[in-house]
Amino acid sequence: TQLLEQSPQFLSIQEGENLTVYCNSSSVFSSLQWYRQEPGEGPVLLVTVVTGGEVKKLKRLTFQFGDARKDSSLHITAAQPGDTGLYLCAGPQIGSSNTGKLIFGQGTTLQVKP
Amino acid sequence: GAVVSQHPSRVICKSGTSVKIECRSLDFQATTMFWYRQFPKKSLMLMATSNEGSKATYEQGVEKDKFLINHASLTLSTLTVTSAHPEDSSFYICSAIRGQGLYGYTFGSGTRLTVV
Repeated sequence: TQLLEQSPQFLSIQEGENLTVYCNSSSVFSSLQWYRQEPGEGPVLLVTVVTGGEVKKLKRLTFQFGDARKDSSLHITAAQPGDTGLYLCAGPQIGSSNTGKLIFGQGTTLQVKP
Repeated sequence: GAVVSQHPSRVICKSGTSVKIECRSLDFQATTMFWYRQFPKKSLMLMATSNEGSKATYEQGVEKDKFLINHASLTLSTLTVTSAHPEDSSFYICSAIRGQGLYGYTFGSGTRLTVV
């Protein structure tokens, strides 16, 4: 069974601090996606990483895909209150039917205090 | 970019009544749509996978007679919560993909259902 273990599940920090969220699995994923969700809204895709060892940057957010494609991390530099939200990692389920289903991590609730 | 519209965003209904939630892909044809349920500060829980013109595939533990899914066209899927109870109160989200999702997954903005 494919599982994505996301940590930490809750994080409360001060504005300006750095943080890293981890997404780990014992399974290999063809790609991993990171989403941010604000209260009362649907998840919004931040990035998709596809190649082992890949690093992608989105302003103050840096995403990395592990060399073995079993894990990923999201690093935020100088966090701002606008970064507050639920961060989700997700990857396509691998199976004979190849349904396009996504496996989601448990999510990380980030609160950035001014 | 791909846009998925979900309606209504909020609904309050009485116990025993049914509620229909719509999910539309506005600028692309969605091969597959997914319905999720989300509890506060928790991740998304997949309820069912919906393919146009065929019966939905439900995840284990999801009652198909209670959560009716119809995918009549490549741009519209509906979720009907039948005989709603207070424990059905939750945040429901749909997503849509083209093909097997290689072009990305687009989520609706969610529907907050409150059953009183």
